[in-house]
Amino acid sequence: AQSVTQLDSHVSVSEGTPVLLRCNYSSSYSPSLFWYVQHPNKGLQLLLKYTSAATLVKGINGFEAEFKKSETSFHLTKPSAHMSDAAEYFCVVSLFNDYKLSFGAGTTVTVRA
Amino acid sequence: DVKVTQSSRYLVKRTGEKVFLECVQDMDHENMFWYRQDPGLGLRLIYFSYDVKMKEKGDIPEGYSVSREKKERFSLILESASTNQTSMYLCASSVSSGGGLSTDTQYFGPGTRLTVL
Repeated sequence: AQSVTQLDSHVSVSEGTPVLLRCNYSSSYSPSLFWYVQHPNKGLQLLLKYTSAATLVKGINGFEAEFKKSETSFHLTKPSAHMSDAAEYFCVVSLFNDYKLSFGAGTTVTVRA
Repeated sequence: DVKVTQSSRYLVKRTGEKVFLECVQDMDHENMFWYRQDPGLGLRLIYFSYDVKMKEKGDIPEGYSVSREKKERFSLILESASTNQTSMYLCASSVSSGGGLSTDTQYFGPGTRLTVL
């Protein structure tokens, strides 16, 4: 079985300050991990993915995430938030050789001017 | 760019109606998926298809069926709509890269917000 827990349902940051979105997963096997972003009234867009290569993964728009097997975590960070980062973010896990993705409940990011 | 389109952005139907949600992708992807998205629950997989006329149940298939007669089109059918099917429905597609299915990026459509009265 696999599951994903996003530890914060809502994160509020000031523009120009760091963003941290926390994600823990449980899986009996080596997973693939993804972060997707959903802007208001838009479909989901892939930010980055981990597939057992480098543990620090860089994505689009300055985001990155680090896979920590010992902590079963895949936290998403960005050094400096921009107003356009206001959106909902989903942490997603998948097992090798499985079509299915398991989505976290989502974290809504608000950016204050 | 991959494009996944869904037939309607907003849909309002009455209880008991038969509802069709259509999804089309233009990148010749083998895999297509239907999810529903509800606040606090993330996305849950309803059905997916890995080839024409092939389908697999996801985590919440009850009350839904699907059809894939052509590679680019995947339809979700609510045989008799109920109020608990009011939700946002998202379609996605992915290519089978052969490198392990879990690594395949899924591309999402904009969603259809369905309200059942």
